[in-house]
Amino acid sequence: QQQVKQSPQSLIVQKGGISIINCAYENTAFDYFPWYQQFPGKGPALLIAIRPDVSEKKEGRFTISFNKSAKQFSLHIMDSQPGDSATYFCAAAHGYALNFGKGTSLLVTP
Amino acid sequence: DAGVIQSPRHEVTEMGQEVTLRCKPISGHNSLFWYRQTMMRGLELLIYFNNNVPIDDSGMPEDRFSAKMPNASFSTLKIQPSEPRDSAVYFCASSRTGGIGNTIYFGEGSWLTVV
Repeated sequence: QQQVKQSPQSLIVQKGGISIINCAYENTAFDYFPWYQQFPGKGPALLIAIRPDVSEKKEGRFTISFNKSAKQFSLHIMDSQPGDSATYFCAAAHGYALNFGKGTSLLVTP
Repeated sequence: DAGVIQSPRHEVTEMGQEVTLRCKPISGHNSLFWYRQTMMRGLELLIYFNNNVPIDDSGMPEDRFSAKMPNASFSTLKIQPSEPRDSAVYFCASSRTGGIGNTIYFGEGSWLTVV
C-alpha cells in the first residue's frame, strides 16, 4: 500500500504565485523527508529535504513545512516560475528505502 | 562529474523476449537502487545493493525479474520472459551510503515497452 499520500495530483499556478503540495504519512519510524523534482524524460532529482526535528526548512524559493504530530509535510514554491513546471514527488524514509508519493504535476503559466 | 548512466534509454520488445537493462553508478557510491515508475503505482523500489551485495529484493515483482551487481561500477536488471505489464520506466540510482539523509542520485531511466 502507498505509505505516503500526496495531493493534489495536478496543479496549475500563475507565474509569481505560490504552489503548495501536501503529503501525509503513517509510519512514525520515518525520519527523513525529501522532495524530488522530475522533468519530462529525466530522472528525479533531490530538491530539498527535512528531518523531523525541525518544523521548517527553506532553500531559496522552496520551503518545506513539517508537522510531526499531524504526520504531514508540504512543499511551498514561492514566486513560481514557468521553469518550475515539473512533477514533484514527496518521499519518506527510514534507512535506505525511499517511499515516494505518487507525484504532483505542476504547471506554471506565464 | 558523470551521473548515473543507464542503457538503453529506450527499448521496445516483444512479449516473451529477454530484456537486460544496464547501469553504471556514480564513482565512489557504494549503494545502488533499481526503481520502477508507472502511472498507476508511481516509483517503486525493486532492489537495493550495498557494496555490490543485494540487501533488499522484496520489491522485485516475481521470478521473471533478476538483478546483479558483479562489481562496484556495473549492475543489470533482467526480465525474462517480458510481459506487457512490465512496460514502465526503470531507474537506476546510487548514493554514497544507504543510510538516512544521503542523497540518492537517479539516472535518466530506461523506457521499456513490451508489445
